[in-house]
Amino acid sequence: QSILTQPPSVSGAPGQRVTISCTGSSSNIGAGYDVHWYQQVPGTAPRLLIYAYNKRPSGIPDRFSGSKSGSTSASLAITGLQAEDEADYYCQSYEVFGGGTKLTVL
Amino acid sequence: QVQLVQSGAEVKKPGSSVKVSCKASGGTFSSNAISWVRQAPGQGLEWMGGIIPMFGTTNYAQKFQGRVTIIADESTNTAYMELSSLTFEDTAVYYCARKGRQLVLVGHFDSWGQGTLVTVSS
Repeated sequence: QSILTQPPSVSGAPGQRVTISCTGSSSNIGAGYDVHWYQQVPGTAPRLLIYAYNKRPSGIPDRFSGSKSGSTSASLAITGLQAEDEADYYCQSYEVFGGGTKLTVL
Repeated sequence: QVQLVQSGAEVKKPGSSVKVSCKASGGTFSSNAISWVRQAPGQGLEWMGGIIPMFGTTNYAQKFQGRVTIIADESTNTAYMELSSLTFEDTAVYYCARKGRQLVLVGHFDSWGQGTLVTVSS
């Protein structure tokens, strides 16, 4: 059972904006540990999308953004949705991962 | 950007052990922690433990304490993860991943290996 809670699935049409939430506890996010986000296309290794809540590694499009919401939650937003964004998304805080969210592009 | 290349797929019997390697190239090795994360079929990511090669400092998930050993060989820029007393539930893809910040065991993973499938079967 993941200690970080994510919605199992989200969906959106091409060009739309979607958000994925990540809710933790006083043991991870609430204890001051940053939140990071990964994208995983099935059959491949995860890829870092966002680190320390809102920082993008080089090569990650600015369509991807992250934010903190409250003391124990964070969110990932994807704007201008594209077919290639269809993947699983995971949040991480301390050494814990969320259960993952499957993004479907309609 | 560092590249992490893992050893090939393994098939093991219940009760046995498996050792997976992760060789780093193209970046720093000793000062960035290497962790191991596994993913059972159709499931999410699960952190197992990590090591800072420069110090040999390790930390392990409580779930795997006593059953997992992570070491690093600075002379070959290679990290290893050994998991013992295998059960069918250990069937998974095992990834090594490098921490993006130096000299700490926590934080984000900026590079990942390609994954190693370990199948436990009788």
